[in-house]
Amino acid sequence: GQNIDQPTEMTATEGAIVQINCTYQTSGFNGLFWYQQHAGEAPTFLSYNVLDGLEEKGRFSSFLSRSKGYSYLLLKELQMKDSASYLCAVGGGSQGNLIFGKGTKLSVKP
Amino acid sequence: DGGITQSPKYLFRKEGQNVTLSCEQNLNHDAMYWYRQDPGQGLRLIYYSQIVNDFQKGDIAEGYSVSREKKESFPLTVTSAQKNPTAFYLCASSNDRGNTDTQYFGPGTRLTVL
Repeated sequence: GQNIDQPTEMTATEGAIVQINCTYQTSGFNGLFWYQQHAGEAPTFLSYNVLDGLEEKGRFSSFLSRSKGYSYLLLKELQMKDSASYLCAVGGGSQGNLIFGKGTKLSVKP
Repeated sequence: DGGITQSPKYLFRKEGQNVTLSCEQNLNHDAMYWYRQDPGQGLRLIYYSQIVNDFQKGDIAEGYSVSREKKESFPLTVTSAQKNPTAFYLCASSNDRGNTDTQYFGPGTRLTVL
């Protein structure tokens, strides 16, 4: 079956670092995506990993281990505007689609 | 500006009525997708189209229909057969017909059945 797991909610403090984990079991794998979604809005693309290792993009970094079926999104120097849901998605659907996790709702406190 | 537009942003429908949600993109993308998002659930695929005049059912296609007569447009009709249509509907597109390319999302339509 297809399964993507990520924590439901996380809380962190402004200025801190937070790591959001994602584990996956899919029949295929064509890369792992992270999206950010503010309440009531559309998801926006953050990062894409297809090879093992760390991809850094400003305050955001994403890591992938294909052998472990594991990824994380690292957010540094947290800002209040980072309060959002973070969606992990795997390109591996038999129908040519992305398979999405349920999302992790991150709350950043002052 | 290139992007994906969806209209309307909010839609109210009476039970038993069909309603059509619009999705237009000017990114010249081949593939387009419709997802449904419910509270506490991940995005679920309703239909997708990898090329004009062709589309495929996703995981939850029952009660929905689509058309792809133009590359830029992929409207979704929510029919009266859909048992629980109240949800947030998201349209997306990607450059690649497969699932290796990034999908970009429209702003969404929130449908409420009264």
